[in-house]
Amino acid sequence: AQSVTQLDSQVPVFEEAPVELRCNYSSSVSVYLFWYVQYPNQGLQLLLKYLSGSTLVESINGFEAEFNKSQTSFHLRKPSVHISDTAEYFCAVDSQGGSEKLVFGKGTKLTVNP
Amino acid sequence: DVKVTQSSRYLVKRTGEKVFLECVQDMDHENMFWYRQDPGLGLRLIYFSYDVKMKEKGDIPEGYSVSREKKERFSLILESASTNQTSMYLCASSSPGINAYEQYFGPGTRLTVT
Repeated sequence: AQSVTQLDSQVPVFEEAPVELRCNYSSSVSVYLFWYVQYPNQGLQLLLKYLSGSTLVESINGFEAEFNKSQTSFHLRKPSVHISDTAEYFCAVDSQGGSEKLVFGKGTKLTVNP
Repeated sequence: DVKVTQSSRYLVKRTGEKVFLECVQDMDHENMFWYRQDPGLGLRLIYFSYDVKMKEKGDIPEGYSVSREKKERFSLILESASTNQTSMYLCASSSPGINAYEQYFGPGTRLTVT
């Protein structure tokens, strides 16, 4: 079965600093990969996804993630964070290669301090 | 905008009660999902449905059942609530096609079983 590991449960950073949230997955088949974000007191929303094509994917608010097949990773990065990026971030993988059933990591709480 | 609504934001029930959590989506999505979210454990899939009257077990179905009589509505049922079912419950929906794998989440129901 697929699994997702988010190595950091909490990441505190200062505003305008760069950040990387790490995600590794286990799979022996092709995967679809996702990052979801949960702002305080809200449901989750999709931040970005990798299905095929370019291994670097970007979101509209400046986040990017790179699919690295050899390292089975899909780390999320942003060169300069804002206070409003404070949220919990979840990495997810499609569990059966096309099933649309996702397996989520345990989440990383990003706190951006002024 | 896609909207997924859940019947209650907060719910308090007693041990042994039968509990119904309702979820409605307004985008004619085929797929619907129920997750529970616990601190440090991320999201875990309870049940999902690919079509009306169809259901499949997720990773933690014990103690739960579901019902999908109409395409837009997916209900989660706790037959006899127990304290270990105290949690945040999230409903999501998705559809195959151009936005495949993008799950749209409701705001969640925080259930407390006393």
